[in-house]
Amino acid sequence: KAGVTQTPRYLIKTRGQQVTLSCSPISGHRSVSWYQQTPGQGLQFLFEYFSETQRNKGNFPGRFSGRQFSNSRSEMNVSTLELGDSALYLCASRNEGGTDTQYFGPGTRLTVL
Amino acid sequence: DQQVKQNSPSLSVQEGRISILNCDYTNSMFDYFLWYKKYPAEGPTFLISISSIKDKNEDGRFTVFLNKSAKHLSLHIVPSQPGDSAVYFCAASAVSNDYKLSFGAGTTVTVRA
Repeated sequence: KAGVTQTPRYLIKTRGQQVTLSCSPISGHRSVSWYQQTPGQGLQFLFEYFSETQRNKGNFPGRFSGRQFSNSRSEMNVSTLELGDSALYLCASRNEGGTDTQYFGPGTRLTVL
Repeated sequence: DQQVKQNSPSLSVQEGRISILNCDYTNSMFDYFLWYKKYPAEGPTFLISISSIKDKNEDGRFTVFLNKSAKHLSLHIVPSQPGDSAVYFCAASAVSNDYKLSFGAGTTVTVRA
């Protein structure tokens, strides 16, 4: 099976712009989660989607949003970008939920200038 | 509020010796724990997990120990190999929040030849 794929891998934006990141889960996986990784902070949970519905949400401002399509692919959108949004954004897919192992994609490196 | 803490940002160990990585957590509701390994420019890969009903789980060179009373878990790698040089993340989750993963900040392991 192909792994989790994320596009684009690298992105440079300026403050105030918006950005959309894409994630394609492992075939058959219905859950997609998004994480933000910054130096020294580990991975911070953004949200999880399952069957096109947001199932769980982290403590991020409303500028961060996401959605999931019927084929389980997911997108994450960040509006009105701030310098502090520069980070590696990772998505992870798992089969259903519970203790199913989460498999991560390679991430999208976002730089905000 | 960091509920999972990895207090050692880095660890250097000689090839063939044991690597011990530590992780502490504050949320007593956590009942499932995982370790992930991350190479630069790649997403985290799952290593090993343990449920709160067990105190030890072993998989090849990797063993995870859980001390629920101390809210502490550790990962032992024996023997350490150069390919083990990576960042290791501890993660915890609970049935009460749909097993959303809370990650530590990571420990960078360097295995010296």
